[in-house]
Amino acid sequence: ETGVTQTPRHLVMGMTNKKSLKCEQHLGHNAMYWYKQSAKKPLELMFVYSLEERVENNSVPSRFSPECPNSSHLFLHLHTLQPEDSALYLCASSQDPRGATNEKLFFGSGTQLSVL
Amino acid sequence: AQSVAQPEDQVNVAEGNPLTVKCTYSVSGNPYLFWYVQYPNRGLQFLLKYITGDNLVKGSYGFEAEFNKSQTSFHLKKPSALVSDSALYFCAVRDIKTGANNLFFGTGTRLTVIP
Repeated sequence: ETGVTQTPRHLVMGMTNKKSLKCEQHLGHNAMYWYKQSAKKPLELMFVYSLEERVENNSVPSRFSPECPNSSHLFLHLHTLQPEDSALYLCASSQDPRGATNEKLFFGSGTQLSVL
Repeated sequence: AQSVAQPEDQVNVAEGNPLTVKCTYSVSGNPYLFWYVQYPNRGLQFLLKYITGDNLVKGSYGFEAEFNKSQTSFHLKKPSALVSDSALYFCAVRDIKTGANNLFFGTGTRLTVIP
């Protein structure tokens, strides 16, 4: 166990549904991240939160909406997704709130999302 | 622009043989380099990193990687492969100049160790 828990493990949704992905870290870390993993593509950094403030948004469509209510929890709210959004969504955390450049990330097991 | 290339989608090696998973990088300044491993149905796990100092970095599970600045490479190696090493391996780079949160990953290399 890495100390980062993601729920649900699998999610199937229609294009008109609204759903949320949840991430919880039990490591006392100060920065949290959402990544998208698609086959044969590099991991895509979507959002970064440092001390509960969003510090990075990598041109992610507005149908993805992150929320970080406290330093231990991170959500990704999904609305009117497209089939090409089907992927593994990974949450990660790191200790330093600045996301120091020599730090390692701790990843959750991910949510496998299928959009029909 | 910064990027990472993993030229092989798939690497097969016999158990007990040495293994190499290749990675080359491109950054404007000095790189921080990482290797992560992903086992089935799991998230990525940190293996090792190069920040500065000795070009040969040792990490978890007997893995090591060699930083080669002239060839802009950071290949992952292990002297004797185990079946349990079968997994997806990702190389990643951070450019010191561009900021702390930009960790760029490669597309991954699937390693299969054949018994």
